[in-house]
Amino acid sequence: AQKITQTQPGMFVQEKEAVTLDCTYDTSDPSYGLFWYKQPSSGEMIFLIYQGSYDQQNATEGRYSLNFQKARKSANLVISASQLGDSAMYFCAMREGEDRFTASKLTFGTGTRLQVTL
Amino acid sequence: EAQVTQNPRYLITVTGKKLTVTCSQNMNHEYMSWYRQDPGLGLRQIYYSMNVEVTDKGDVPEGYKVSRKEKRNFPLILESPSPNQTSLYFCASSLKPSGMHGANVLTFGAGSRLTVL
Repeated sequence: AQKITQTQPGMFVQEKEAVTLDCTYDTSDPSYGLFWYKQPSSGEMIFLIYQGSYDQQNATEGRYSLNFQKARKSANLVISASQLGDSAMYFCAMREGEDRFTASKLTFGTGTRLQVTL
Repeated sequence: EAQVTQNPRYLITVTGKKLTVTCSQNMNHEYMSWYRQDPGLGLRQIYYSMNVEVTDKGDVPEGYKVSRKEKRNFPLILESPSPNQTSLYFCASSLKPSGMHGANVLTFGAGSRLTVL
């Protein structure tokens, strides 16, 4: 089974609108961390936001927030007030467990390409 | 500036010609890892290293070698490259291998685009 599923290969949003990028995950470990990365057309991977499985509140970083629904195993990224510079590929990723070996890997989804239009 | 540096950024080579992609970090990070990115597959881990002289296989290690002789360097070696190793490669590092603290985020290099003819 896929550990990280991003079901939206591509999305469009108008400038200044909010957009939600979906991410569901699969793990039986009670300790895990969820990450979102942005990859613009230049190719680099930019860290956006982190949510720990024990965090009581949803993470927020500026215009980015993470809608964390633990029971549903979803960790959707919400971008408010979209800007043209938000056009990029977005990856959801997970790190599982506290053990040094099981937590050694960041598992990525296949990504969602977001296009912001005027 | 704190960063992960990969070289070369772009490389076109031929089947069977050994090559090395270098990776260096200046943040005193313990953990380093290599990923490859292919369309529709996301990023997949090739090898990782918990610390100096400690390396282990990720999900797709076939055809690759690594070494970690110094804390800052983690080169990726393709002994006999084949066309199916044409990909975008990322080196990444974090302070510690594990821990759910948000500060233990993976920092990525800028990527190395490799084409094997």
